[in-house]
Amino acid sequence: QVTLKESGPVLVKPTETLTLTCTVSGFPLSNSRMGVSWIRQPPGKALEWLAHIFSNGEESYSTSLKARLTISRDTSKSQVVLTMSNMDPIDTATYYCARIQNGYGGWVDYWGQGTLVTVSS
Amino acid sequence: SYELTQPLSVSVALGQTARISCGGNNIDRKSVHWYQQKPGQAPVLVIYRDTNRPSGIPERFSGSNSGGNTATLTISRAQAGDEAEYFCQLWDDTMIFGGGTKLTVL
Repeated sequence: QVTLKESGPVLVKPTETLTLTCTVSGFPLSNSRMGVSWIRQPPGKALEWLAHIFSNGEESYSTSLKARLTISRDTSKSQVVLTMSNMDPIDTATYYCARIQNGYGGWVDYWGQGTLVTVSS
Repeated sequence: SYELTQPLSVSVALGQTARISCGGNNIDRKSVHWYQQKPGQAPVLVIYRDTNRPSGIPERFSGSNSGGNTATLTISRAQAGDEAEYFCQLWDDTMIFGGGTKLTVL
C-alpha cells in the first residue's frame, strides 16, 4: 500500500525557513519510474508545483521559487525533505507531497493528505 | 514560461455532458493529466496521458488532446458527486498546473 505523509510546523514566522518532511511507504524512493514532488495550494486557489526529486536523485525546481527551495531525500529513511527560506504570509498554503509516476512528463498517482502551513507573526 | 488556461467555472445539468477545456500552446504535443479535487480533500487523478483512466475512475470520464491548442476533459452523464474543482497538468521543463475549473452540477 502506497502512502505519503507530510510533517512539519503548522505555523512559521515571516523570514523563517520552513522545513517539511514527506515520509513514504509502499515504494522505494530509488524506483526508476517514480519520483516525489512538493505541491502547494493557497486557500481557495490553484495548485502550484514547487520541486521534484527524480529516482536518480536529480532535482528540479519551480523557476519562480528556485532561489528559496531545496529538495533532498534520505532513501534509508524513505523521506523527502523540502526547505523553503524567507517565508512570507503569501506562502500560507496546504503543502502536499506527491508521487510522480513515469518520471518527467508523468502524473501524480498518489498524494499525501497535505499539511496546512500558516505564515504569521 | 508555459501557461495553461482553464475556464473558472462550468455548469452542467444533471445527467448531461460537461466539457472542461485546458488551453496551452501546441498542447497536443504534450501529455496532459487531469485531477478532481473536492473541498477539504487532496486531488485525485482522473485522466493520465491525455486519454487514460486510472482504475476505479468511471468510464463517464474521458479525455482528449488532439485539437492543437486545447485539451478537454469530458464528463458524461454528470452526477451530483462530480461537482468539484478540476485541474489539468503537464510538464514543460517543470510541472505546470492549470488554474482550475469549478464544475457545478445543476
